[in-house]
Amino acid sequence: DSGVTQTPKHLITATGQRVTLRCSPRSGDLSVYWYQQSLDQGLQFLIQYYNGEERAKGNILERFSAQQFPDLHSELNLSSLELGDSALYFCASSVDSYSNQPQHFGDGTRLSIL
Amino acid sequence: GESVGLHLPTLSVQEGDNSIINCAYSNSASDYFIWYKQESGKGPQFIIDIRSNMDKRQGQRVTVLLNKTVKHLSLQIAATQPGDSAVYFCAETEPMNYGGSQGNLIFGKGTKLSVKP
Repeated sequence: DSGVTQTPKHLITATGQRVTLRCSPRSGDLSVYWYQQSLDQGLQFLIQYYNGEERAKGNILERFSAQQFPDLHSELNLSSLELGDSALYFCASSVDSYSNQPQHFGDGTRLSIL
Repeated sequence: GESVGLHLPTLSVQEGDNSIINCAYSNSASDYFIWYKQESGKGPQFIIDIRSNMDKRQGQRVTVLLNKTVKHLSLQIAATQPGDSAVYFCAETEPMNYGGSQGNLIFGKGTKLSVKP
């Protein structure tokens, strides 16, 4: 068990809808990262938050947004969903925002768009 | 853009043999590397890491080797067991002054390891 909790585990919805994925980092970790894993793109970095503030952005679509709350949990919001958004979405956490430290991953949310 | 790639998409080994999974990275400025194991239905699980000022690091049954000259990373698993069957990813981070996002990981495509009993 990595200590990172993601909910829900599975999400099925239709095109055009909006969903929210939730992540609770490991106790003591201040930094949260979101990644998308699809069959054709592999694991891709989306966005990073550190202690409530956005720290870095990767390949995140404008239809996607995220935030980190004062209790350090994070939410990833996906809107105007398209079939191509079907993927596994992982959250990872680390102690602080610097590199040279491992990130620990949750078990992901599997998003299926019908 | 920078990418991390794997030489072999699949690797099949006999139980008890040693396994070697290889990875090529493209950014010579990368200073930190991690190996992850991903089992079906689970998230990537941290195995071992290595910083660029080292060329070898050992863990329990695993060893990571880093060759900066040829930008190559390998994961060696000793006495491979059926429980080692999974997809293995290497990942790298970039230091901030090269423009890379602070701390985010760049993953390779993954190698599927199958252990035959």
